[in-house]
Amino acid sequence: DTEVTQTPKHLVMGMTNKKSLKCEQHMGHRAMYWYKQKAKKPPELMFVYSYEKLSINESVPSRFSPECPNSSLLNLHLHALQPEDSALYLCASSHRFKGTEAFFGQGTRLTVV
Amino acid sequence: DAKTTQPNSMESNEEEPVHLPCNHSTISGTDYIHWYRQLPSQGPEYVIHGLTSNVNNRMASLAIAEDRKSSTLILHRATLRDAAVYYCILKDNTDKLIFGTGTRLQVFP
Repeated sequence: DTEVTQTPKHLVMGMTNKKSLKCEQHMGHRAMYWYKQKAKKPPELMFVYSYEKLSINESVPSRFSPECPNSSLLNLHLHALQPEDSALYLCASSHRFKGTEAFFGQGTRLTVV
Repeated sequence: DAKTTQPNSMESNEEEPVHLPCNHSTISGTDYIHWYRQLPSQGPEYVIHGLTSNVNNRMASLAIAEDRKSSTLILHRATLRDAAVYYCILKDNTDKLIFGTGTRLQVFP
């Protein structure tokens, strides 16, 4: 199984809502990533978890709250988002070795209204 | 974060070879060179990676300059399905995988 599964595929939420994005992998990877991608731009790194601990936060606003409950799951909790947060949110995972590839999910298309 | 420089776009005809260049003059001795591609409406997909020697796999070849300051991704026979944005990324000792602006490859029949 070389899949990273993200749910939901699409999400529309209001600015006062609280929602969560979910990411799952069963490849035994101990590094997991969240990226944000706006249209026609490259993915921007948001967070990295290493061995279920947050190791990198790229100065992301606190309205985005990541969580890694176990080695297979990664969540991104969303609260009080702005319309400019509308984007494709990508999850990825890899072994913790720089000579190995990362696997990406298909993303969650988020629209904030 | 070590930087890479790629052309914004390139074009190819179907069944012709494509050479996608990447400059990384600030690469450190232990950085790996990774290539990913992103097809329309999909997440990025791993293509190939290398450290010093040239590498081949079923998707592509990676040619790395002797001084490691540049590399070239080679698609031996482009198909319409190879139309994508190709990203050259340097992976260091941290867990970061930082995407640059990439090269948009168009393939014409």
